[in-house]
Amino acid sequence: GQQVMQIPQYQHVQEGEDFTTYCNSSTTLSNIQWYKQRPGGHPVFLIQLVKSGEVKKQKRLTFQFGEAKKNSSLHITATQTTDVGTYFCAGRTSYDKVIFGPGTSLSVIP
Amino acid sequence: DTGVSQNPRHKITKRGQNVTFRCDPISEHNRLYWYRQTLGQGPEFLTYFQNEAQLEKSRLLSDRFSAERPKGSFSTLEIQRTEQGDSAMYLCASSSELVGGEALVLTFGAGSRLTVL
Repeated sequence: GQQVMQIPQYQHVQEGEDFTTYCNSSTTLSNIQWYKQRPGGHPVFLIQLVKSGEVKKQKRLTFQFGEAKKNSSLHITATQTTDVGTYFCAGRTSYDKVIFGPGTSLSVIP
Repeated sequence: DTGVSQNPRHKITKRGQNVTFRCDPISEHNRLYWYRQTLGQGPEFLTYFQNEAQLEKSRLLSDRFSAERPKGSFSTLEIQRTEQGDSAMYLCASSSELVGGEALVLTFGAGSRLTVL
C-alpha cells in the first residue's frame, strides 16, 4: 500500500541552527500537508502544498513540494525553543485518505 | 463550536473488555477520520467517513474494531475484546472540503488514550 516516509527520525540542534526534514511518498500525491505536534499534544495543521514545485513560507519556515509531487521538505531557519516538537508530513491520496509519515522529532538545545 | 471533542480522554481497561470512544467533530465538517498513534510514531490511519458513509477501513484493523457515524455528526469507535497491543492514543479529526476539493485540512481532537492491562 501507499507509504509516506520521513527522515531523519530525530534531530537535535543548538538554538539558532537550521533544521530540515524530508518527506517521500511511494506514490504521487494530490497534495502534501505538514502538521506539528508538541509533546503531549495533538497534531496541528501548519500548511498545505498543492502544485508541483510549490514553495511556501511562514516566517522562519519554508515548505517545498517536489516537481513529481512525491516528495516535500520543511526547513526552519534559526531554530528557537518554541520550534520543539514532532513535524509530520501527510499525503492525500486520490481517494481522500490522508496518510501520515512517521515524523521528525526536533529538539532544540538552548 | 470549540473544535473536535473526544471522550473519554483516558480509559484503562482489562484485557478482553470492550471499549467505546466518541468523537464530536466541528459541526460543519462532513468528513471524519480516526487514527491510532503510539509513542514515537505518526498517526496511523484507521477509517474515515463522509457524512454517515464509511468510505474506507484500514486493512490493518481486525474485525474487533468498528466505527459508526449514524447521523453524519458524532462518531464512535468500538474495540471489542481488547488486547494489550491496542494500547495507544486514538485520535479523531474532522475536515470540510471546499468546492474543488483542495481544502481537506484536518482538525484533530485531543485524543483518547487507551491502556489495556
